Amino acid sequence: SQQGEEDPQALSIQEGENATMNCSYKTSINNLQWYRQNSGRGLVHLILIRSNEREKHSGRLRVTLDTSKKSSSLLITASRAADTASYFCATDDLGDKLIFGTGTRLQVFP
Amino acid sequence: DGGITQSPKYLFRKEGQNVTLSCEQNLNHDAMYWYRQDPGQGLRLIYYSQIVNDFQKGDIAEGYSVSREKKESFPLTVTSAQKNPTAFYLCASGSSGANVLTFGAGSRLTVL
Repeated sequence: SQQGEEDPQALSIQEGENATMNCSYKTSINNLQWYRQNSGRGLVHLILIRSNEREKHSGRLRVTLDTSKKSSSLLITASRAADTASYFCATDDLGDKLIFGTGTRLQVFP
Repeated sequence: DGGITQSPKYLFRKEGQNVTLSCEQNLNHDAMYWYRQDPGQGLRLIYYSQIVNDFQKGDIAEGYSVSREKKESFPLTVTSAQKNPTAFYLCASGSSGANVLTFGAGSRLTVL
């Protein structure tokens, strides 16, 4: 079963705008991760946030985590055409495997 | 360079045939995973292994088999019992537990 659900399913923006995508999950977690997938390729890890953290930054990425609402958001600031990809959240379900969400397809127009 | 290699990148199979997808990593990772991805969908876990000679079923293990005879290798066999095998298959590895995963480039299987 898929643990996470991303929202929106698809997002189209212009270069320079910010992109926000959300992830909701169902059970308690140790950490939540975000991955990026270019079309037809493998996934690439972006950022990990632990359950005792509320916000984390990495370059143009900002991730928040609200464990009381079982939700997370990924903000990409000043988007570029090269950010066009699908973005997935993944949670550990307190176990030894990652469960991925359904993904958000981001299209950034030049 | 350290990484994870999947082969073949594209594979065509006739109905009733078994096929084996290769996954090799030189990252010295203990854990390895196989996921299936259908068009426009998320990833679903097929099998995973935390240690050599041991593996566990994921959410959609029926019609698939794996082995973990070496730390570096985790091949996936798609058997004829898998009713709808056409999909994109992704292998990943990581340190023990559900930590950061490194993914291969994927193998696209098409059943003719």
